[in-house]
Amino acid sequence: QKEVEQDPGPLSVPEGAIVSLNCTYSNSAFQYFMWYRQYSRKGPELLMYTYSSGNKEDGRFTAQVDKSSKYISLFIRDSQPSDSATYLCAMTATSGSARQLTFGSGTQLTVLP
Amino acid sequence: DAGITQSPRYKITETGRQVTLMCHQTWSHSYMFWYRQDLGHGLRLIYYSAAADITDKGEVPDGYVVSRSKTENFPLTLESATRSQTSVYFCASSESTTIEGYTFGSGTRLTVV
Repeated sequence: QKEVEQDPGPLSVPEGAIVSLNCTYSNSAFQYFMWYRQYSRKGPELLMYTYSSGNKEDGRFTAQVDKSSKYISLFIRDSQPSDSATYLCAMTATSGSARQLTFGSGTQLTVLP
Repeated sequence: DAGITQSPRYKITETGRQVTLMCHQTWSHSYMFWYRQDLGHGLRLIYYSAAADITDKGEVPDGYVVSRSKTENFPLTLESATRSQTSVYFCASSESTTIEGYTFGSGTRLTVV
């Protein structure tokens, strides 16, 4: 069993829809939870991150972490065609520079105009 | 230009050949990482380096060799390429104090025929 599970999709939604992306994990040591966005033929870019449990909002994006359930989510409101990308969740136990990230397999999202 | 650059962007090689992927960063980050990305697996850590002349294995190190004689460079060598090493390879570097300071290159798409 993988440490981090993520539904690979693909997920296709109409413009303006609310998108929900999710990951589950098994390692209780994970403390930092990140969402990366990866456009085609590009490297992953950090979208947002959350420390421990709780919610974090940044514009149209909201990240949620439920450590009791080992479940994290990313919500995208008013989705735009420019949001079409692969979204990767990632986790780590430490914030130090030695941190090694454990990734989900990524969810491919297409937002249709 | 400041940043992290990988070369080449695309490479086709034959089974059994040695191939080296290059990674260069201009931030003087201590930590550097090599990941491979495969469909269904997300990104998996191959090797990482804490400083010049200090390297360590990640999750999938077999068949790969790394070196780090200078802080800014972290080449990855496939000593005898196999078809299972066909993948997209990403280099990353890490700044010590913030989650945001973990940055990926644009990747090298390697095909072994």
